[in-house]
Amino acid sequence: EAQVTQNPRYLITVTGKKLTVTCSQNMNHEYMSWYRQDPGLGLRQIYYSMNVEVTDKGDVPEGYKVSRKEKRNFPLILESPSPNQTSLYFCVVGEGLGNQPQHFGDGTRLSIL
Amino acid sequence: AQKVTQAQTEISVVEKEDVTLDCVYETRDTTYYLFWYKQPPSGELVFLIRRNSFDEQNEISGRYSWNFQKSTSSFNFTITASQVVDSAVYFCALRGIQGAQKLVFGQGTRLTINP
Repeated sequence: EAQVTQNPRYLITVTGKKLTVTCSQNMNHEYMSWYRQDPGLGLRQIYYSMNVEVTDKGDVPEGYKVSRKEKRNFPLILESPSPNQTSLYFCVVGEGLGNQPQHFGDGTRLSIL
Repeated sequence: AQKVTQAQTEISVVEKEDVTLDCVYETRDTTYYLFWYKQPPSGELVFLIRRNSFDEQNEISGRYSWNFQKSTSSFNFTITASQVVDSAVYFCALRGIQGAQKLVFGQGTRLTINP
């Protein structure tokens, strides 16, 4: 069964305390991406990766870092979180170009106080 | 640039009514893909349908139907005989050939079905 696993699912933390949201997949797909969801704005892409060691910025990359050292993992790093990064985050894994649906993780709800 | 607009922020209907969620998109790609996702209160995103730009056939799946009209750049979603379990936020999304598989989402429509 295709799985995209995000951890943690919920986190409340304070401004400036570094945190990492992990994402792992069991499908051996090249494409992985992070989105954030905010009310009235839908989901917006933060970063994406086309393969190991290949990452690029999405539409809202400020304040985030990512790495892709192995194919199955794509962690999202907030070096110095701020309250405007309070959001619902989704990791997305893709099969390839075309009309195939992408696989979403269950989401991580971050609250930065 | 690609854009998806869901002008209806919130819709509230009584159970068993039919309801249509609107989606209008903009893209310069000649080949693109359209999707609908459902987000129940639990928060996960559930894939509902995908449509290729070169396939304008409408589709029906049980109580759900989708009307794709290239001429008006619309991909509307209708729920027939709505049920309380249909209450959710619904997102329309677009993915072009370019843009490294990025999904461009609309703002979402919150649908509430009242008993």
